[in-house]
Parts: sequence; C-alpha cells; structure tokens
Amino acid sequence: DAGITQSPRHKVTETGTPVTLRCHQTENHRYMYWYRQDPGHGLRLIHYSYGVKDTDKGEVSDGYSVSRSKTEDFLLTLESATSSQTSVYFCAISEWDQTYEQYFGPGTRLTVT
Amino acid sequence: KQEVTQIPAALSVPEGENLVLNCSFTDSAIYNLQWFRQDPGKGLTSLLLIQSSQREQTSGRLNASLDKSSGRSTLYIAASQPGDSATYLCAVYGQNFVFGPGTRLSVLP
Repeated sequence: DAGITQSPRHKVTETGTPVTLRCHQTENHRYMYWYRQDPGHGLRLIHYSYGVKDTDKGEVSDGYSVSRSKTEDFLLTLESATSSQTSVYFCAISEWDQTYEQYFGPGTRLTVT
Repeated sequence: KQEVTQIPAALSVPEGENLVLNCSFTDSAIYNLQWFRQDPGKGLTSLLLIQSSQREQTSGRLNASLDKSSGRSTLYIAASQPGDSATYLCAVYGQNFVFGPGTRLSVLP
C-alpha cells in the first residue's frame, strides 16, 4: 500500500469554525489531490498540487483553500465550515511517470453541525 | 467536460459467476483509465490501470479492457467470491481525473 495518511480520521465541528485536514505521504510523489465523496455525486476534485507551493483549483473549490510547504504534506482548510461541507474527504497522490497512477489515503469523515 | 458513467449501478450475483462491469466516458482524449475498489467506510484501492496506448490489463482474476474510440472500458471478474463484494469505480485521466459513480457488487455465498 502507498504510504498515505490522513488526519484527523473523524471530526465533528460547528458551522462557522475553521477546519484543517492534513494529508501526509512517504512516497515522494510530486502530485497530491483532495477529493470529497458524497452520495449521489461520487468523487469530486477540490484542489490539487503539482509541487511545493504550486496548487490549482478543481471542480468544487469554493469554500476551500490548500497549502503545500513540503513535498510530503498537503493541507486542506475550510475557512468557515458550512453544513454543505459535511462529507468524506480523500487525499490522493500520483507521479508524473508513464502511468500517472493514483493512490488514495484512508479518508477523513467530517461532520459540520 | 468529461463525463463518466457506470452500468449497472448495483449487481448481485451468486458465488462463482463470471461478471462484467461497464464504464463509459464522453471524451476519448485520455491518458489512462484506472479501476478502483472501495470497501464500505474505506479508501480506494487501485486494481488496474490501462494506459491510452493499451487495450487491456490483467491481474489475477481481473481483466480490464479499453476501447478509446468508443469511450468504453469493461472490468471482467472471473469466478467471483464473496470477498469481491465492494463498490467498483472507474476513473479517466485527461485534463484531470474524473470518476464514475461506481457499481455496487454483492457476491452471495
């Protein structure tokens, strides 16, 4: 299994509070991604990073920001959490080799009350 | 915009059957197609990846094929087992990764 950890694994927070989710990899892969998974919507890309301090928006980036100060860490921040951001969040990594294969972390279940 | 669909949405089969899961995509300009397995409450596990220049890939009882021109991929599972019960997702990589909604498979003992 690819060395990807996510923290926390579960979190309950109140509307309006800031939340930061962390993804850590030991594979030294260049690319990192944040997805959310919701019933009826499947997996949707929030933000991705193609190197340290290099990030870009995905399909559903509103209300989220990211940072990557080290190759191994990719942070997802909800500046002011809303109930619509209740979801399961997955981090993934890939390398720009011939295959671009993606590997996923275990996920973080976030509930905003 | 790339759209990915999977048919059927759910499938229930008796143990031992061979089965086929389908994945369709609208834009054939892709680099690869990847099949994943997801168990309830867990992350995604990569099963097979087919590069755009390839027609199929095999791993054990799994065989995935790719027809870029028609925008289709199939995942063939031979001699299904109860441990194969999970949701199977396909994802295509073009400008970015786009996932299908998944097929929920139940293999009954």
